[in-house]
Amino acid sequence: DTAVSQTPKYLVTQMGNDKSIKCEQNLGHDTMYWYKQDSKKFLKIMFSYNNKELIINETVPNRFSPKSPDKAHLNLHINSLELGDSAVYFCASSQGGVGEQFFGPGTRLTVL
Amino acid sequence: EDQVTQSPEALRLQEGESSSLNCSYTVSGLRGLFWYRQDPGKGPEFLFTLYSAGEEKEKERLKATLTKKESFLHITAPKPEDSATYLCAVHGGSQGNLIFGKGTKLSVKP
Repeated sequence: DTAVSQTPKYLVTQMGNDKSIKCEQNLGHDTMYWYKQDSKKFLKIMFSYNNKELIINETVPNRFSPKSPDKAHLNLHINSLELGDSAVYFCASSQGGVGEQFFGPGTRLTVL
Repeated sequence: EDQVTQSPEALRLQEGESSSLNCSYTVSGLRGLFWYRQDPGKGPEFLFTLYSAGEEKEKERLKATLTKKESFLHITAPKPEDSATYLCAVHGGSQGNLIFGKGTKLSVKP
């Protein structure tokens, strides 16, 4: 049983397109996150959701928008994709705020 | 500004050769320091949480320690399967999120 799953695993698209990445966790956690890992492997927080409420919104472009239909899902929508958006995006979840986080397998986004 | 610095960037060991990885941090009001392991093509996997100076945690060949300015991940008699990137993260100060270091890539040769 996969604890945190993401789809798709790989995403290749053209500049200017709009895309979404889906994330689901079956751990019953109350907080979910999106991270970006760049080519230098630096992992940086983008968003987190607690009980369907955005509690952290780092300085990311407003082309990125998280959407949480329920406590088990946190999807990432990206509009007007740019070359610099190419990276690996990880979803994660935790219980009771920041702490031990469980990460998904990542989605490698390549913008051409 | 809160910062996390890990050293070395890469470490190559022979099987059985013990060593340590370093994570130094500057944060006001540390609320927790976390160690993760990341294998190629996978998401980080949680290893340890340390909350206060002097605290130690162990898991198999790994032992994490914490002082007021840094944390060490000691690897005793490593095996090739310990090869991975080890990430350190802190939670504290004005940040409501984890701040990660850039990681140490460990390679253990048989």
